[in-house]
Amino acid sequence: AQSVSQHNHHVILSEAASLELGCNYSYGGTVNLFWYVQYPGQHLQLLLKYFSGDPLVKGIKGFEAEFIKSKFSFNLRKPSVQWSDTAEYFCAVNAYSDYKLSFGAGTTVTVRA
Amino acid sequence: NAGVTQTPKFQVLKTGQSMTLQCAQDMNHNSMYWYRQDPGMGLRLIYYSASEGTTDKGEVPNGYNVSRLNKREFSLRLESAAPSQTSVYFCASNTRPNTEAFFGQGTRLTVV
Repeated sequence: AQSVSQHNHHVILSEAASLELGCNYSYGGTVNLFWYVQYPGQHLQLLLKYFSGDPLVKGIKGFEAEFIKSKFSFNLRKPSVQWSDTAEYFCAVNAYSDYKLSFGAGTTVTVRA
Repeated sequence: NAGVTQTPKFQVLKTGQSMTLQCAQDMNHNSMYWYRQDPGMGLRLIYYSASEGTTDKGEVPNGYNVSRLNKREFSLRLESAAPSQTSVYFCASNTRPNTEAFFGQGTRLTVV
């Protein structure tokens, strides 16, 4: 079974600062990679996903992530955060045809206005 | 477009009581899932149903049962609730493993 590690539990930023959230997984085969976001009081929503092709993936709201196969990583980035990016961010991974999606513990991002 | 609908949104149970959490999706998805979310632990898969008529255990199935009633509905039952089952429960659905999962709004369950 795969596991997912998110390096930061809580990140506090000021508006316009850059954001990078780390995600590493432990599975050697072909994987599907996801970043989900949970805004306060809401359900999880997909930010972006990677299955194959260009390892630099662009998602909604200006987010992007880079898949580095050799490092088993899928880090999330945003060049300039806004107050509305305050949320909890989850990295998730499953093996290519496996229904069992494993989530990281999540990173709470607080953006100060 | 309702998406994934969960009921109830909140529930308080006494230890030993039973209850069923309901989930329905209107996106014609094949697969449905139940997760629990606990602080510092992310989401953990309880059970899933790859397709109508099948169910399988996830990471933390003990104390739970599920029923895939039809393609739209997937229920989660706690037969004898325990305080350790205090959590937020999310239902999700998707078409295939490599597609976006859509989540419901969650059920906040407290067992006292």
